[in-house]
Amino acid sequence: QPVLTQSSSASASLGSSVKLTCTLSSGHRTFVIAWHQQQPGKAPRYLMKLQNTGTYIKGTGVPDRFSGSSSGADRYLTISNVQSEDEADYYCGTWDSNTIGVFGGGTKLTVL
Amino acid sequence: QFTLKESGPTLVKPTQTLSLTCTFSGFSLSTSGVGVGWIRQPPGKALEWLALIYWDGGVRFSPSLKSRLTITKDTAKNQVVLTMTKMGPVDTATYYCARGGLGSVGVDFWGQGTLVTVSS
Repeated sequence: QPVLTQSSSASASLGSSVKLTCTLSSGHRTFVIAWHQQQPGKAPRYLMKLQNTGTYIKGTGVPDRFSGSSSGADRYLTISNVQSEDEADYYCGTWDSNTIGVFGGGTKLTVL
Repeated sequence: QFTLKESGPTLVKPTQTLSLTCTFSGFSLSTSGVGVGWIRQPPGKALEWLALIYWDGGVRFSPSLKSRLTITKDTAKNQVVLTMTKMGPVDTATYYCARGGLGSVGVDFWGQGTLVTVSS
């Protein structure tokens, strides 16, 4: 089963850009992932599906400032023009058709 | 627009069996490719997949929890039920119902979640 590794925390100044990373384990570098946002005290929200090619498809209503990209085993979520409401936990997840899905440990984004 | 809502007990005693119902709208579990699953999150911790059921009745379970889980669907009622046996304090968590299935990466829409506390 794949393992997804995320940094535990990140920070960004209001109006700046930040790039969050999700790394797939060896043998799973081509897996498609999804990014989810969880604001404090709320349920997660699906942001996008991101392929190993870097192609991504966002969910309904996800602001344009959210984008995705890929390089090797790494999958990135970039937030441009960071807003205060972007302060949240961000989780990457993938699906193993042989078993079930897995999530990374999440990255807590602090907006300064 | 999709909606999913979880319902069930908020407090269960150790060793008891938990039964949670997900009632959804905006899509059908009779549609090819669609799935509905359950994910939990202990307080302050990360998300963990539990189980998913597909439109065709196929199921997937967390390998570590498989022996304790059952997932069923009632397509006519737009409901999915998760049952977890032998509950313990470590199972205290917010339990989320989510839409997924083929073409998604596990989840493409989340329910609001329900907090279940295991305590005597």
